[in-house]
Amino acid sequence: SYEMTQPLSVSVALGQTANIICGGNSIVTKNVHWYQQKPGQAPVLVIYRDSKRPSGVPERFSGSNSGNTATLTISRAQAGDEADYYCQVWDSSTAVFGGGTKLTVL
Amino acid sequence: EVQLVESGGGLVQPGGSLRLSCAASGFSFSNYAVTWVRQAPGKGLEWISAISASGGTTYYADSVKGRFTISRDNSKDTLSLQMHSLRAEDTAVYYCAKDVSDSEWFWHYWGQGTLVTVSS
Repeated sequence: SYEMTQPLSVSVALGQTANIICGGNSIVTKNVHWYQQKPGQAPVLVIYRDSKRPSGVPERFSGSNSGNTATLTISRAQAGDEADYYCQVWDSSTAVFGGGTKLTVL
Repeated sequence: EVQLVESGGGLVQPGGSLRLSCAASGFSFSNYAVTWVRQAPGKGLEWISAISASGGTTYYADSVKGRFTISRDNSKDTLSLQMHSLRAEDTAVYYCAKDVSDSEWFWHYWGQGTLVTVSS
């Protein structure tokens, strides 16, 4: 089954740029989606199909996908961006989530 | 406004059964695939099952295949998950979520979840 790897944690200084990566074999061939989850809340879709942003998601959130790595980029990080972030793909009739990355805004 | 409201969670003994429901409103339920995703305490998201808009196609994670059954009633805008042979490792918050179409397999709207605890 397909597997994706995310770093357990990423730290970013307030106002700086955070990059959260999601590694998977030839992940460029898949549509990668990203969810943000804050404690006690349901996940929220922040990026779909690699780089598209749902309405209501700030332009500070962007995504890319190349080779074996998909990346969620959060520019001008704010305290409110502190959350867990999960990548997700659909592969061989199953959905797969990465293990999640905890973003800390310092 | 799109709403998904899960119910049916609770405490169940190992080996027991439980049926979760997800009531949908605010959209044409019969036009969208829907899914169940769970999250064990302190752990990440785990996809467990999905069903097409018509209900004709279902998908399961290996961890629940043969024990869980997903179904939907488009006349009642309701999604269900019948769970049998429950194990301690099935303890989690169970979320239902709505696809953006019939087969995009990512989810823009989520319910708030219902907690299932498997313990003696």
